[in-house]
Amino acid sequence: GIQVEQSPPDLILQEGANSTLRCNFSDSVNNLQWFHQNPWGQLINLFYIPSGTKQNGRLSATTVATERYSLLYISSSQTTDSGVYFCAVEEGGATNKLIFGTGTLLAVQP
Amino acid sequence: ETGVTQTPRHLVMGMTNKKSLKCEQHLGHNAMYWYKQSAKKPLELMFVYSLEERVENNSVPSRFSPECPNSSHLFLHLHTLQPEDSALYLCASSQVYSLADYNEQFFGPGTRLTVL
Repeated sequence: GIQVEQSPPDLILQEGANSTLRCNFSDSVNNLQWFHQNPWGQLINLFYIPSGTKQNGRLSATTVATERYSLLYISSSQTTDSGVYFCAVEEGGATNKLIFGTGTLLAVQP
Repeated sequence: ETGVTQTPRHLVMGMTNKKSLKCEQHLGHNAMYWYKQSAKKPLELMFVYSLEERVENNSVPSRFSPECPNSSHLFLHLHTLQPEDSALYLCASSQVYSLADYNEQFFGPGTRLTVL
């Protein structure tokens, strides 16, 4: 099955810093989502981005499907950005299951 | 209520108990999902229902039994669980479950289950 790898696994930032999170996937995908899981476990939708670039406030994402990767940019980070960021891909072919990466644990310090 | 809700939020049960997790979506979606999130492991898909019909069963043990009485409600019935089943159980929904269509999934807050 498809493999989804995220990097870095852990990241510590000072408030106000910028960061880039990466998601690599091993095969072609129909779609890709980025989520933020807060400390209480809630998965919050950030982007639904099978290709191209989207922006939402301080966050933006770019997916280059032909090269099998996606990037999530966080600018001017805030302590509330802390948590785990997951990318999940929808396999091509006969199923559209979401396959999750192992996540990036982000801690933003004041 | 908006979005996807789950009850209870926390559950502690013994290995001989029977309990049920409930999920309700208020988004008018037609597909619903159960995922399991164990410590230090990626989220794992357990079951998918589309238009109240089970379309995916990801090799889940029979001690987990899903039920989808209508497109807004999804249950996960639990019986004779093991301590290793302790995890966060997440429910999600999407507009459709189709290769050709928009399929963004929205998640509930989860039920944190502890099996003693």
